[in-house]
Amino acid sequence: AQSVTQLGSHVSVSEGALVLLRCNYSSSVPPYLFWYVQYPNQGLQLLLKYTSAATLVKGINGFEAEFKKSETSFHLTKPSAHMSDAAEYFCAVYGPDTGYSTLTFGKGTMLLVSP
Amino acid sequence: DTAVSQTPKYLVTQMGNDKSIKCEQNLGHDTMYWYKQDSKKFLKIMFSYNNKELIINETVPNRFSPKSPDKAHLNLHINSLELGDSAVYFCASSQQSAEGSPLHFGNGTRLTVT
Repeated sequence: AQSVTQLGSHVSVSEGALVLLRCNYSSSVPPYLFWYVQYPNQGLQLLLKYTSAATLVKGINGFEAEFKKSETSFHLTKPSAHMSDAAEYFCAVYGPDTGYSTLTFGKGTMLLVSP
Repeated sequence: DTAVSQTPKYLVTQMGNDKSIKCEQNLGHDTMYWYKQDSKKFLKIMFSYNNKELIINETVPNRFSPKSPDKAHLNLHINSLELGDSAVYFCASSQQSAEGSPLHFGNGTRLTVT
């Protein structure tokens, strides 16, 4: 079954620094990939999605992600971190193994932003 | 104009009790889901309904019973609550007929069983 692996349960950056959150997927064919953000005591909010139209995907709040088939990766980046970016980030995948019917989540990465 | 709303937001109850969580979506989506988020923030799908029909039923104790009266509502009833049921439960919806459609989540129900 397809899955996603998020490297690092916690990532710490300084305000203004580059944000890089890593996600690798396993799938026999290119899947649909998503990044979600969860602020404390809230639900998950969609940041961006990859659906094969373009390999570089731009999302909300200045985030973007690049789909790299050769590396089976879909890393999330932001050029300059803000304090308000501190949250839990989840990578998720739909894949052919489940008929694209089940969205499977990674274990999440907590982004910590220091002044 | 909340897209996916679930109630209550917090639920504190004792072991052995029966409780329900309600969910409604006004997005016109054809599919609704329940996910469980444990204390380590891990999200796991429990159930999925498409047009009121159960299509996904993961390995969940049969004390958990979803009910979908119509495609805009998916409720979760839990019998004989146990300590291990304490978690945050998220309702979500999507338009599954559109392949690759993202899920839209409610704000969660934090269930605490004492």
